[in-house]
Amino acid sequence: EVQLVESGGGLVKPGGSLRLSCAASGFTFSSYSMNWVRQAPGKGLEWVSSISSSSSYIYYADSVKGRFTISRDNAKNSLYLQMNSLRAEDTAVYYCARASSGWYRLYYYYYMDVWGKGTTVTVSS
Amino acid sequence: SSELTQDPAVSVALGQTVRITCQGDSLRSYYASWYQQKPGQAPVLVIYGKNNRPSGIPDRFSGSSSGNTASLTITGAQAEDEADYYCNSRDSSGNHLGVFGGGTKLTVL
Repeated sequence: EVQLVESGGGLVKPGGSLRLSCAASGFTFSSYSMNWVRQAPGKGLEWVSSISSSSSYIYYADSVKGRFTISRDNAKNSLYLQMNSLRAEDTAVYYCARASSGWYRLYYYYYMDVWGKGTTVTVSS
Repeated sequence: SSELTQDPAVSVALGQTVRITCQGDSLRSYYASWYQQKPGQAPVLVIYGKNNRPSGIPDRFSGSSSGNTASLTITGAQAEDEADYYCNSRDSSGNHLGVFGGGTKLTVL
């Protein structure tokens, strides 16, 4: 079964750090780009970061750039998100998601077809 | 603020057809993908690419695109389709940053 399982969430004080992990199984992890997406309580989805299959390409949302670091270990089928200098507005459920992309008739497509159940991060004093 | 704009809420009578739209400059170059999210659950991909459905998604879900607008159509809406729907694409800057629409809450009456 294709599966993603996040872990590492919890309660942390403002300015603190947390490292999220996402364990992949049931597919060839090293062949896929991966993403982190978050959802603040009662709010919509927010894309956080993405990493290509070989870690060659890494992108961050402006809201987390300079504070968060995405990484992966293909040998361990794992994705990570190191979160530093956490703020109250980082409070959210964090999902990891598998991505696929390509070109079709001059249009680029990008989609996230497998999602984990999420891990909750609460930043509060 | 989101670079993809969705109507906050849409309603449809049971068995009728509803279209949920997503507007943004990046949609002139990128296909949108669409996600369904029910309360307390992770998002589920329902449409990607030009008009592709993942395995297990009913064929009443379809997608289309014209200019800067992508649409998700549910033909014959069912009670279980009541959910939040999000479009997703890359941003219009060409920097490969992801962006979601603000979401549309679909109510099936």
